[in-house]
Amino acid sequence: GAVVSQHPSRVICKSGTSVKIECRSLDFQATTMFWYRQFPKQSLMLMATSNEGSKATYEQGVEKDKFLINHASLTLSTLTVTSAHPEDSSFYICSARGGVEVNQPQHFGDGTRLSIL
Amino acid sequence: GEDVEQSLFLSVREGDSSVINCTYTDSSSTYLYWYKQEPGAGLQLLTYIFSNMDMKQDQRLTVLLNKKDKHLSLRIADTQTGDSAIYFCAESIMDTGRRALTFGSGTRLQVQP
Repeated sequence: GAVVSQHPSRVICKSGTSVKIECRSLDFQATTMFWYRQFPKQSLMLMATSNEGSKATYEQGVEKDKFLINHASLTLSTLTVTSAHPEDSSFYICSARGGVEVNQPQHFGDGTRLSIL
Repeated sequence: GEDVEQSLFLSVREGDSSVINCTYTDSSSTYLYWYKQEPGAGLQLLTYIFSNMDMKQDQRLTVLLNKKDKHLSLRIADTQTGDSAIYFCAESIMDTGRRALTFGSGTRLQVQP
């Protein structure tokens, strides 16, 4: 089945550090990738949608200068949390969808747990 | 707007059947999904159903869709301890390529030996 690899799985760093998270589709071309944030015991909240070669579309309330998304190829998207602060600590999950049909299933990475001290 | 709701917790004994319920509000949903999340991990796609179907079965999993009542359920037969996880239902609405999934709050399934 479709595999999405997300790295790193866990990051602990000091306040003010920028952190980059990678999301790769290993065996299919992901025309669209999604970034979600999940707080403890809560559901997934969509942060942004990125299509290969174009700018990401951010959900309302998500700061695009804070959460930089790059989708430079059909198999790789990156999320950079710039100047991270403790309130950015969370579980970040990416997903990837192949093809152009909007109802193609999304396949998820294993998530990145970000802890800012 | 869209809204997807689930009960928060379900406890069953090993070997019993589990039924996880979900309601959604948007009648234009075309696909509905069930995902499984184990502790500290991402989401695993379990199954999905197209809105013109009433039922879909895949091994131990049975999905029932009542489109009139906007009610979706996931039945797990012969539940095992390895099925303990959080189960999310999600809907996808025919829209532009920007549209992602709308998730329910998740149901925590606890399987007791």
